[in-house]
Amino acid sequence: GENVEQHPSTLSVQEGDSAVIKCTYSDSASNYFPWYKQELGKRPQLIIDIRSNVGEKKDQRIAVTLNKTAKHFSLHITETQPEDSAVYFCAAKRGLITGGGNKLTFGTGTQLKVEL
Amino acid sequence: DTAVSQTPKYLVTQMGNDKSIKCEQNLGHDTMYWYKQDSKKFLKIMFSYNNKELIINETVPNRFSPKSPDKAHLNLHINSLELGDSAVYFCASSQVGGGGHEQYFGPGTRLTVT
Repeated sequence: GENVEQHPSTLSVQEGDSAVIKCTYSDSASNYFPWYKQELGKRPQLIIDIRSNVGEKKDQRIAVTLNKTAKHFSLHITETQPEDSAVYFCAAKRGLITGGGNKLTFGTGTQLKVEL
Repeated sequence: DTAVSQTPKYLVTQMGNDKSIKCEQNLGHDTMYWYKQDSKKFLKIMFSYNNKELIINETVPNRFSPKSPDKAHLNLHINSLELGDSAVYFCASSQVGGGGHEQYFGPGTRLTVT
């Protein structure tokens, strides 16, 4: 089955700096890669996602890059703000045609702390 | 107008008891999920139902039994609760038919077994 590794487990940055979180996946059939943000005591919420036919996607201060050959993808947050502090999860999923039952396999999470 | 709702939000119970968690989604989605998030924040899929049919059943003890009475509801019943069952349980839903990918999570149910 799919295995998703995520690094680092904790990340501390100064406000205004950039933050980068990296993930690798094992299943070459995975073709959908979302990133979820989970604030303390809250539910995980999708912040950005990328499909395997795209190498990069951007949404304001957040961007995701995907390298299918190397099987890794990264989340980039620029101009970090205190409200970016949360746990971030990457995930990977196969397409329905290739089986997998729409199963999302999550990484182990990164605790991001943005300091003033 | 909550999209995915769960009850109860908190559940404190003793070892050996049986308890249920209920989930409802009003998004019209065809697929629902149960996830377990342990104390280290690991999020792991337990079950998934598509149009009331079980399609994902991970390695979960038989004490856990999901039930989907209809597309909008997915309940989780746990028998003979153990200390290790303490976790936050999240329900989620997505629209798989038509190529939908995003999973919407409920607010979670914090289960504490004493």
